[in-house]
Parts: sequence; structure tokens; C-alpha cells
Amino acid sequence: LAKTTQPISMDSYEGQEVNITCSHNNIATNDYITWYQQFPSQGPRFIIQGYKTKVTNEVASLFIPADRKSSTLSLPRVSLSDTAVYYCLVGDSWGKLQFGAGTQVVVTP
Amino acid sequence: GAVVSQHPSWVICKSGTSVKIECRSLDFQATTMFWYRQFPKQSLMLMATSNEGSKATYEQGVEKDKFLINHASLTLSTLTVTSAHPEDSSFYICSAQDREPDEKLFFGSGTQVSVL
Repeated sequence: LAKTTQPISMDSYEGQEVNITCSHNNIATNDYITWYQQFPSQGPRFIIQGYKTKVTNEVASLFIPADRKSSTLSLPRVSLSDTAVYYCLVGDSWGKLQFGAGTQVVVTP
Repeated sequence: GAVVSQHPSWVICKSGTSVKIECRSLDFQATTMFWYRQFPKQSLMLMATSNEGSKATYEQGVEKDKFLINHASLTLSTLTVTSAHPEDSSFYICSAQDREPDEKLFFGSGTQVSVL
């Protein structure tokens, strides 16, 4: 399983865009990149998944460069409720995912 | 999306007793479920992989005799912490893999275990 590196924390104001970059230099050919969100005392919630280029859904965008050694989760116009820990995971299946340290995002008014 | 129900949400028990946690996939069949534990301010640590009808696969360093896992049906997996001690106090989370349509992984809401 590829190891991931993310910033420990990021601060933002409401309405701003938050971009979290994750490094995964040892990503394998079959690996996908998946991002989860976790609030205190809750289980992680799926945000987005991608393999290459760009993926967008109703809550976020995921940018993956051609070499796939990193990825950037983009949260547009964050609100206070987006304060959470965000995890970047890399693996060749949905199942056995190893969580890294995650990024604590704090959104303030 | 699919729902994974985890019960109880919290439990307090005496040292030496056992604690059983249930993980159910409510609207899909999950041949594979996973159990994690999480200490305060730390990330999730994978404990074991639970496969329906077979023995669980434990991660290195996780005592299989202490953390008993049973996956008796396609919608239910249980984790039993046997002879619990204060150091077993943690947040336990399960996840289930949905085989249809795209094998997404869904997580339960977690169980906070406090051993006195």
C-alpha cells in the first residue's frame, strides 16, 4: 500500500476555496486515490475518488497530475460545517485502505 | 448512498469483561467488512479484514484471541473485545464493501468503548 503525506492542518475562512495536496510517490499502476472526511466521533465519509486527470462531484474536485505522484482535493466555498479531518488514501481496491495522519481543516467565520 | 449501522454507539464496561460491537450493512450485501480502531487525535488503524463465512485476517500486532471477529452473514459482522482492559478504550469503526455497483466502501458511525 502506497504511503501518503498530507499537511497536518489548514485554516480557512468561510467562502474560500480550500486545496489540500497529498503526496503519494510510490503509487502503483492499479491504485486509485480516494478522499474521506471525518467529523469527531463519527466514521469517515466518502468524498471523492479518482485515477487520473480531474474528477468533480457535487461537493469537491480532485486534481491528479499525469505522473499521479500527488493529488489535490479542492473544496469550493467552504463553510463552518466543513471543519473536519480529511484523509487521502491510495490503494488498488476499495477494501483494505490504510489511513494516514489526515489534514485537520478548520474553517472560521 | 448505502448505510452501515454500527451498534452500540458507546459502551462503558468494567475491566475484565467482554464487549461486543455489531456492524450491519442495511441495504446491501457485504462480503467483506473491515474493523478499525482510533485513539483520540489519531488516525484510523486497520485491525482486521472480515470475510463472510471464513476466518478474519488480522493486521500485524493485533491479537486475534483478544479481538474476536465473526462475519456470519452478508450483512453482519461482530467484533468482541474479550477481557477488556483500560488500554482497550478506543473508538472502534467498521466499514463494509458494497459489491454492487462499484464496490464503494462505507463506514459505520463508530463505537466509543470505555473500560473502567
